[in-house]
Amino acid sequence: NAGVTQTPKFRILKIGQSMTLQCTQDMNHNYMYWYRQDPGMGLKLIYYSVGAGITDKGEVPNGYNVSRSTTEDFPLRLELAAPSQTSVYFCASSNGGRQTNYGYTFGSGTRLTVV
Amino acid sequence: DAKTTQPNSMESNEEEPVHLPCNHSTISGTDYIHWYRQLPSQGPEYVIHGLTSNVNNRMASLAIAEDRKSSTLILHRATLRDAAVYYCILRDPISNFGNEKLTFGTGTRLTIIP
Repeated sequence: NAGVTQTPKFRILKIGQSMTLQCTQDMNHNYMYWYRQDPGMGLKLIYYSVGAGITDKGEVPNGYNVSRSTTEDFPLRLELAAPSQTSVYFCASSNGGRQTNYGYTFGSGTRLTVV
Repeated sequence: DAKTTQPNSMESNEEEPVHLPCNHSTISGTDYIHWYRQLPSQGPEYVIHGLTSNVNNRMASLAIAEDRKSSTLILHRATLRDAAVYYCILRDPISNFGNEKLTFGTGTRLTIIP
């Protein structure tokens, strides 16, 4: 049972480069999320999705794009990397909806450094 | 969204119980209280949640005040592996339906002393 898988685990980008952070889950969860965590801070929501084909912005969406073509995958795209995007990125999934007897499952994170 | 207040840090001795407090004075009647923890260099993991009654699971217990304005996460016998940042989060499944998201604060950093 893999849960939520993120790749890569580490990446160094130069300013202006682009990359895609991959996230896939095998739990058939409808809801998926991308968070970023800066050093010593809590997690901030970037984008989320309530199902295939449906995405919406979170607190800090600027500089990022997402897509959700399948239930399993929710990639996060950085188009023009900036030093301010240096952070640890976490993907998560959940059953969502009105059910409360569930929790979010998080991936192990991608540590991104922009130089 | 209703806010929570937690101490920035706490210390506890190994093999002793730990009580992690959380204040949520603006909690609404439909808000569930959720706890997550984040071990070093890992993503957050779900610990426990509850609405009104105290809750127990294999990881911890959750004690909820009668007025629901505060709660306490209880680790019955702390081990070194319990050293983590613990987040107390309120979730409203009714008003958040279709816009489900967790809002994380800075949490409580728990240090376990051997």
